[in-house]
Amino acid sequence: EPEVTQTPSHQVTQMGQEVILRCVPISNHLYFYWYRQILGQKVEFLVSFYNNEISEKSEIFDDQFSVERPDGSNFTLKIRSTKLEDSAMYFCASSRQLNQPQHFGDGTRLSIL
Amino acid sequence: SQKIEQNSEALNIQEGKTATLTCNYTNYSPAYLQWYRQDPGRGPVFLLLIRENEKEKRKERLKVTFDTTLKQSLFHITASQPADSATYLCALDMYGAGSYQLTFGKGTKLSVIP
Repeated sequence: EPEVTQTPSHQVTQMGQEVILRCVPISNHLYFYWYRQILGQKVEFLVSFYNNEISEKSEIFDDQFSVERPDGSNFTLKIRSTKLEDSAMYFCASSRQLNQPQHFGDGTRLSIL
Repeated sequence: SQKIEQNSEALNIQEGKTATLTCNYTNYSPAYLQWYRQDPGRGPVFLLLIRENEKEKRKERLKVTFDTTLKQSLFHITASQPADSATYLCALDMYGAGSYQLTFGKGTKLSVIP
């Protein structure tokens, strides 16, 4: 069964550094998402992406965050200047249509030191 | 804003029994509701989606109900097994409000005791 893949599985970065999290969504899916989950808390929406542009973003997704689909398969989340509070699991998800199930990757654990 | 409550943080049941998990929501009527399973250190895995015009959905040992009057969904696992032990997440769309995001509950951690 096709799946969403994310790399790296764990990223350790110094505060203030830039980090790029990578995702390969399911190939025939059209909608792409990033969510995050701080340890022990609920999964929170960050951003959605459709037709090569951001469809929607949450309050968490400030100017330090950006997303890109650099080619036909990859979908990336960039954090420009990381803060301690950015430490979390970051999940990429994709769906075929807007009102269909979202399929998640296994996440990247981001640790900011 | 949308509020979702999953009634218990943790639920312990004996193997072979039926587990029933509850999801309540306020302030919005979603077009559909989804249930996910999450294992420690892993991403949510989609289980079932039920739409607002559906009362019940089944998949193997899983059953979901959706009561839009009560603003509640129940998730049942029949003949539970230790392998069913995980955190189960309820998620609502904001599609009717023109939104792409899913709003998740905090989850219920289910432990099936042999």
